[in-house]
Amino acid sequence: DAGITQSPRHKVTETGTPVTLRCHQTENHRYMYWYRQDPGHGLRLIHYSYGVKDTDKGEVSDGYSVSRSKTEDFLLTLESATSSQTSVYFCAILVASEQYFGPGTRLTVT
Amino acid sequence: QKEVEQNSGPLSVPEGAIASLNCTYSDRGSQSFFWYRQYSGKSPELIMSIYSNGDKEDGRFTAQLNKASQYVSLLIRDSQPSDSATYLCAVNNFSGGYNKLIFGAGTRLAVHP
Repeated sequence: DAGITQSPRHKVTETGTPVTLRCHQTENHRYMYWYRQDPGHGLRLIHYSYGVKDTDKGEVSDGYSVSRSKTEDFLLTLESATSSQTSVYFCAILVASEQYFGPGTRLTVT
Repeated sequence: QKEVEQNSGPLSVPEGAIASLNCTYSDRGSQSFFWYRQYSGKSPELIMSIYSNGDKEDGRFTAQLNKASQYVSLLIRDSQPSDSATYLCAVNNFSGGYNKLIFGAGTRLAVHP
């Protein structure tokens, strides 16, 4: 899994609560990405980062924010979780033009 | 809207046969193409990358790229039940100067003994 960890691995939360997912890499790769995966939609990019404090939106960024204060950590925050954000979330890093994925976080919003 | 299209399947093949997975993309400017394998409940695993027209072989896997037709395929020779998974096609998108991928929805492959 290319030295990527995600935490938590599973989370159940209630509508309206804030949630933060963490992605950690053990090497100093510049690019990091957050995706969500839903049945029939494949992987969709939420946000990405091209360096410390440098982030940008992907195709499905509404309702999500990110932060990257250290090279090794990329945080994804759902400010006020909704049921439509129930999904599996994957973090990825870019290594020599190839993306490698973390193990994923299964988030359920009730 | 840049798109990557795959047949959702399932594609069912007998053990030992060749499985052929196909993908088309809309952005003519794409330069890099990737195939990921994803087992149920697991994360996507990169199995092939291809950057130029033609074939690229790695063990039982062959990736084929035709940029003129905007078509990329993955052949799996001597298919095994352990190859049963969802295969995701991904195409790079350098919009804004940053390296991003666009994924297809995936093709589910079932290899039966």
